[in-house]
Amino acid sequence: GQQLNQSPQSMFIQEGEDVSMNCTSSSIFNTWLWYKQDPGEGPVLLIALYKAGELTSNGRLTAQFGITRKDSFLNISASIPSDVGIYFCAGQNSGYSTLTFGKGTMLLVSP
Amino acid sequence: GAGVSQSPRYKVTKRGQDVALRCDPISGHVSLYWYRQALGQGPEFLTYFNYEAQQDKSGLPNDRFSAERPEGSISTLTIQRTEQRDSAMYRCASSFEPGQLHGSYNEQFFGPGTRLTVL
Repeated sequence: GQQLNQSPQSMFIQEGEDVSMNCTSSSIFNTWLWYKQDPGEGPVLLIALYKAGELTSNGRLTAQFGITRKDSFLNISASIPSDVGIYFCAGQNSGYSTLTFGKGTMLLVSP
Repeated sequence: GAGVSQSPRYKVTKRGQDVALRCDPISGHVSLYWYRQALGQGPEFLTYFNYEAQQDKSGLPNDRFSAERPEGSISTLTIQRTEQRDSAMYRCASSFEPGQLHGSYNEQFFGPGTRLTVL
């Protein structure tokens, strides 16, 4: 099945650094979502984006819905050890319930 | 807690055996989704239900896979004659409302998954 192109595959950073990850698709989505998955748990929604060009923040997280509707990025500022996990982007279209996920970005934060 | 629960959490089976994976959604949630997540990959859609009706099963890999939700609550994903390539994490999610309205998102809440290993 289709999966979105997510990069980088993994990141190893120092606590306090900012990180950025992005997601691209060959097709348009009406909604872009960013999830975080902790070890042994299911994905948990971080941010939902509904309009092309929209920039949304949630605490230290900022995400943008690309103007072409084919891409999105997620920024995390001032990273902390509990940011460790796998971050997934997902796309969804109006009228459809299913989500199409990226392959994930594994984030490791060194104290 | 009142989250999505799945059982068993781990299942090891021999090739050729049938397995049944159970999902108990959040109480009152109308929609229930099944995903499969291979190691190093994101979740991949299998099928979903609104109430007891299976709305889309286009993601099921082949006819060895089936799912049901007879009373509109608990769902079972069954894999017959398992093969080694079926080994993966199987995740269930539920949402309060079906579909997606423009400008909103009916959040899907994911369960912890069932890790299936086929020997």
